Amino acid sequence: RKEVEQDPGPFNVPEGATVAFNCTYSNSASQSFFWYRQDCRKEPKLLMSVYSSGNEDGRFTAQLNRASQYISLLIRDSKLSDSATYLCVVNMGNSGYALNFGKGTSLLVTP
Amino acid sequence: DTGVSQNPRHKITKRGQNVTFRCDPISEHNRLYWYRQTLGQGPEFLTYFQNEAQLEKSRLLSDRFSAERPKGSFSTLEIQRTEQGDSAMYLCASSTGGLSDTQYFGPGTRLTVL
Repeated sequence: RKEVEQDPGPFNVPEGATVAFNCTYSNSASQSFFWYRQDCRKEPKLLMSVYSSGNEDGRFTAQLNRASQYISLLIRDSKLSDSATYLCVVNMGNSGYALNFGKGTSLLVTP
Repeated sequence: DTGVSQNPRHKITKRGQNVTFRCDPISEHNRLYWYRQTLGQGPEFLTYFQNEAQLEKSRLLSDRFSAERPKGSFSTLEIQRTEQGDSAMYLCASSTGGLSDTQYFGPGTRLTVL
């Protein structure tokens, strides 16, 4: 079992739609959680960190449930430019700093 | 550009050859990481440095792989006796430190082993 599991997608949604991505992680010692965005043939870029209290950045909302070891990302009012792969990322727990990435969920926003 | 840089961006080599990649982190970032990404997968951790010390290596890092960061600035990743299975994107990232610090990725070196 992979340490970080994501919805495989792809998600095809019209502009303006709301879309949600889910992720589960297996290492209960993990303490840092992130969503990264990766465009085709580009490097991953941090979208947002995820905190237990939940956090919002414009149209993006991330939630963390430590008890269920579950992370989510909600994108409201989707834009064409949101089309990308969204990577759920968790630090490696006791070893601290290296990151475990999910396989990513592909999003395509269509006109 | 003050981001993470990697060279070369692309490398095509024949099986059995040695290759070396370079990563220049964001200046003053004391942590440097190497990851590998294959098509359809997320990046996989290979190794990381705190300054010049290599503090962790993944079991993915076979004995054909070696990484160095001799002066705590740039790093090199060498693959000896390349195999077709080594074909991947090799990504470097750097960060300032702290458990929740952000890792910034370079554009990667795409390796193709023929």
